[in-house]
Amino acid sequence: EDKVVQSPLSLVVHEGDTVTLNCSYEVTNFRSLLWYKQEKKAPTFLFMLTSSGIEKKSGRLSSILDKKELFSILNITATQTGDSAVYLCATPSGNSGYALNFGKGTSLLVTP
Amino acid sequence: NAGVMQNPRHLVRRRGQEARLRCSPMKGHSHVYWYRQLPEEGLKFMVYLQKENIIDESGMPKERFSAEFPKEGPSILRIQQVVRGDSAAYFCASSRSFQETQYFGPGTRLLVL
Repeated sequence: EDKVVQSPLSLVVHEGDTVTLNCSYEVTNFRSLLWYKQEKKAPTFLFMLTSSGIEKKSGRLSSILDKKELFSILNITATQTGDSAVYLCATPSGNSGYALNFGKGTSLLVTP
Repeated sequence: NAGVMQNPRHLVRRRGQEARLRCSPMKGHSHVYWYRQLPEEGLKFMVYLQKENIIDESGMPKERFSAEFPKEGPSILRIQQVVRGDSAAYFCASSRSFQETQYFGPGTRLLVL
């Protein structure tokens, strides 16, 4: 059965800190891994990773995939209070290729 | 360019009533997915539709739940005779084509009293 596990489940940091969020997965037919940011509304797409070792960056956020060890990390540098959210990791189902399997998320709180 | 739209954002129903949740995909997207997020749980896939077709409803409860995506108008997720356990956030996502990135709407939070 496909599985996505995120850690830690919650995290509190001070503004300016750097955080690393983890996502490990087990998928029968891996296609991609996606990161979303969920505030009190829609999960917002951040990154889609398909290749091992290639970092994707967007401003202070970056992410990388390790297909050998079956995990991904999401880094946020110089955190701001606006980064407070739940960060979700997902992989498309090995069977269908479209039904996303989500982890339970990491709840990040950035304090001033 | 409007994103995925869902309405209502909040819905309160009493046990036994019907709930209708609507989703309008992003412009240019013809693939719609519904997910449910129960308290303390991750998002779970329910159903995948294209215009006038249900492609995969393997994640949907067998009874009381149905979905449609008509030729004209939004996709509808319908829950008949709601029970307290149906209280959850229901998210719709859309994509341009099969297996492309899914973009999510703001969700409908259903509360069953």
